[in-house]
Amino acid sequence: SAVISQKPSRDICQRGTSLTIQCQVDSQVTMMFWYRQQPGQSLTLIATANQGSEATYESGFVIDKFPISRPNLTFSTLTVSNMSPEDSSIYLCSVEEDRGPGEQYFGPGTRLTVT
Amino acid sequence: AQRVTQPEKLLSVFKGAPVELKCNYSYSGSPELFWYVQYSRQRLQLLLRHISRESIKGFTADLNKGETSFHLKKPFAQEEDSAMYYCALSGRGTGRRALTFGSGTRLQVQP
Repeated sequence: SAVISQKPSRDICQRGTSLTIQCQVDSQVTMMFWYRQQPGQSLTLIATANQGSEATYESGFVIDKFPISRPNLTFSTLTVSNMSPEDSSIYLCSVEEDRGPGEQYFGPGTRLTVT
Repeated sequence: AQRVTQPEKLLSVFKGAPVELKCNYSYSGSPELFWYVQYSRQRLQLLLRHISRESIKGFTADLNKGETSFHLKKPFAQEEDSAMYYCALSGRGTGRRALTFGSGTRLQVQP
C-alpha cells in the first residue's frame, strides 16, 4: 500500500495568515484527495486533486480559500488562506492507488490551530 | 446525494462480548462500502471493504442492499479493538471516487 507523509504534522497560526500543507506519496498515483476533520467531527472532503487538471472542490469550499497544487504524481499541497479560528482542524490527504481494488490510504494528518 | 449514517457515537462493551457497529447508507447507484479504523495516536487505516468479503482481526461486514446497511461485527471483542470506527462509501462506479464518511463510532472494550 502507498505510504503517505504530510508536513507539517501540526502548527499554531495567527488569524489572517496562511499555511501550506504538503503531502508526499512514495508511489505515483492519479487520484489524491484532501479532507478536513474538525474537532469532534467526521471527515469532510475539501477537494479532489488529480495531476494535470484543476482541483475539483466540494460545496462549501472555494479555491481562493483552499488553493491546491498538484505538480506531479507523487506530491500535492493544500493552502489554508486568511485563516480564522474556524479553520482549526486536522487536514488529511489521501490517495487511491492506480492499480488494485481502489481503496484509499491516508496520511497522518496536519493538526492546525488558529489563534 | 450520498449519505452514511452511524447512529451510535459510543459503544461500550466488555471483553469477550459480541460487537456490532451499525452503518446505513443512501446512494442511488452501486456503492462501494468500507470500514476504516483509527487507533489512538495512529492514522486512519482501512479495515474492511465489502468487495473483499474477508475477515480482518476477527471483524466481518456484510453489505445488505435491501436494508442499505453495512454493519461491522465481531463475535468476541478484545481490548485492543478499542478505537474510532468510520463507515465510508465510494461512488466509484459512477465516477465519484472520494469517500463519504459516517460520523464515526467510538468502541470502548472494557476489561
